[in-house]
Amino acid sequence: NAGVTQTPKFQVLKTGQSMTLQCAQDMNHNSMYWYRQDPGMGLRLIYYSASEGTTDKGEVPNGYNVSRLNKREFSLRLESAAPSQTSVYFCASSPIRDRGRYGYTFGSGTRLTVV
Amino acid sequence: KQEVTQIPAALSVPEGENLVLNCSFTDSAIYNLQWFRQDPGKGLTSLLLIQSSQREQTSGRLNASLDKSSGRSTLYIAASQPGDSATYLCAVSPNFGNEKLTFGTGTRLTIIP
Repeated sequence: NAGVTQTPKFQVLKTGQSMTLQCAQDMNHNSMYWYRQDPGMGLRLIYYSASEGTTDKGEVPNGYNVSRLNKREFSLRLESAAPSQTSVYFCASSPIRDRGRYGYTFGSGTRLTVV
Repeated sequence: KQEVTQIPAALSVPEGENLVLNCSFTDSAIYNLQWFRQDPGKGLTSLLLIQSSQREQTSGRLNASLDKSSGRSTLYIAASQPGDSATYLCAVSPNFGNEKLTFGTGTRLTIIP
């Protein structure tokens, strides 16, 4: 099925551990995004990649790094996890902006708990 | 900085009723507005997208309107069903650059059978 695939779906980390969240899309979209969702805060943009080879910070980038490995894949890395990074992480993609219809497609999310 | 507000945060209505969900945004310089649905523990599903030049979009029992000048959008759900129970989020895209969306915090809708 076409769409955005995230792995893993669940993860528990100890404070200070590192991990990488993986995201892949098969819709040939140019742009990819990482959001986090916290209760009462809505979704907030962590990093985005407008096209292969480019990345830029969003609203809450501290403590994270990203890699746009190729057009399909966009990974999010936590170098030293902190309890404040406990959240649900969503990856999304969208086609290049043009005059036609377009929109976001989201993955099913990664629920991360840092203890 | 763009801010998106959705009121109320939660809404319960009997099955069969028509209902309206509200979304407001502070900066009218938007490229488009999207409505999403999120089921518990799941990702977001795009319902409707309205370009800034449009006034409304319809899909089945859903109708979304946009008044860019007043910074408001509504999602109208006709003949509600228990399967419509979910959290509904709106998000706006800026009128420049790429597709960085600013989300509202959502309205949790419960349809009572």
